[in-house]
Amino acid sequence: KAGVTQTPRYLIKTRGQQVTLSCSPISGHRSVSWYQQTPGQGLQFLFEYFSETQRNKGNFPGRFSGRQFSNSRSEMNVSTLELGDSALYLCASRKGQGTNTIYFGEGSWLTVV
Amino acid sequence: QKEVEQDPGPLSVPEGAIVSLNCTYSNSAFQYFMWYRQYSRKGPELLMYTYSSGNKEDGRFTAQVDKSSKYISLFIRDSQPSDSATYLCAMSSNSGGSNYKLTFGKGTLLTVNP
Repeated sequence: KAGVTQTPRYLIKTRGQQVTLSCSPISGHRSVSWYQQTPGQGLQFLFEYFSETQRNKGNFPGRFSGRQFSNSRSEMNVSTLELGDSALYLCASRKGQGTNTIYFGEGSWLTVV
Repeated sequence: QKEVEQDPGPLSVPEGAIVSLNCTYSNSAFQYFMWYRQYSRKGPELLMYTYSSGNKEDGRFTAQVDKSSKYISLFIRDSQPSDSATYLCAMSSNSGGSNYKLTFGKGTLLTVNP
């Protein structure tokens, strides 16, 4: 059974640009959440989507957004990139509401220069 | 005060040693506790999951939760060089419904020397 797949794995962007990251959850999993990992702040929750609806949101500015498609695949977008957005962005999936174990992908490494 | 505190280490031990990793937390609503292992440049991998207080054992790994002290531990017996990784504690107050999220410690970097 394939795990959580994230693309791209590595990318470099310039300050002010925007970026879109993609995530395909484990087959049969309907919930996708996104986390940001930095050395200073650790892993921080961005948002979670279930059945194409955002169910929960962390404490991040509106420049961070996401969406989920009918096949449960998800994208997150960061607009007007800042140097501090450089981080590992992790996608995680869980089967659905009522399950509380989540499984992470390998992450997308974003560097903003 | 951060909701979850975890000593970042680094922690260096000889092969075969017993390793103890710990987290403290301040939110008494947390009931679900997990440990993740993260190898360098990889995503976190779920190691152990426990609910409420008590112990859980899985092979060389034992997870302990003491809700009265707001303290959780992960013990690794007979540590191996392949155990070298960052260990993250995570916890949630939610059984998995809507508004579900995990709150993580910052992770402890462990090196097991051959």
